[in-house]
Amino acid sequence: DVVMTQTPVSLSVSLGGQVSISCRSSQSLVHNNGNTYLSWYLQKPGQSPQLLIYKVSNRFSGISDRFSGSGSGTDFTLKISRVEPDDLGVYYCGQGTQYPLTFGSGTKLEIK
Amino acid sequence: EVKLQQSGDELVRPGASVKMSCKASGYTFTDYAMHWVKQSPGQGLEWIGTIIPLIDTTSYNQKFKGKATLTADKSSNTAYMELSRLTSEDSAVYYCARFWGGGYFDYWGQGVMVTVSS
Repeated sequence: DVVMTQTPVSLSVSLGGQVSISCRSSQSLVHNNGNTYLSWYLQKPGQSPQLLIYKVSNRFSGISDRFSGSGSGTDFTLKISRVEPDDLGVYYCGQGTQYPLTFGSGTKLEIK
Repeated sequence: EVKLQQSGDELVRPGASVKMSCKASGYTFTDYAMHWVKQSPGQGLEWIGTIIPLIDTTSYNQKFKGKATLTADKSSNTAYMELSRLTSEDSAVYYCARFWGGGYFDYWGQGVMVTVSS
């Protein structure tokens, strides 16, 4: 199975600040078709996860451009700029390249 | 508007089974695979398996083979997951999620909390 390692486990940021979350996979996430199926999700308190970013760097419909994804191969990053109160929650990376599908263990974002 | 409406929370006895539903609306049910994800209390996300409603094909995480059974009813646009021989380890929130061919879950149900207790 592909192991997804997220760091940090938690972080605290002031409103208006910027944060980065790292996600590393135990194997390359480049699919045979050339695509890299790495996505990012946010689970707000008491809610279901919601899709933020797909295929490394593509923002899902309605997602603010304050969220950006980057990376390749086994090393990926989610950046959140101009942090707002509604950004708090747990962020997960997930891979859709190889079955079984797997997720990182999550990064909890707290607002100072 | 795409919506996945899951059935209500369940309290079940150890050793029993539970079947939950996920009713899809706002899109053509047979155009997408439906996946199921487990979230244990205070824990992360764990992929259980998937069903392709168009051809009734399923695929499971090895860990959940024999535990979870996925089915789908095309006539009612509803996916189902049955969990059998429940133990305390099965107490969790279970989500259905639509899977886009681009390798990601674009819409999620609200979750079903299953509590296994005598």
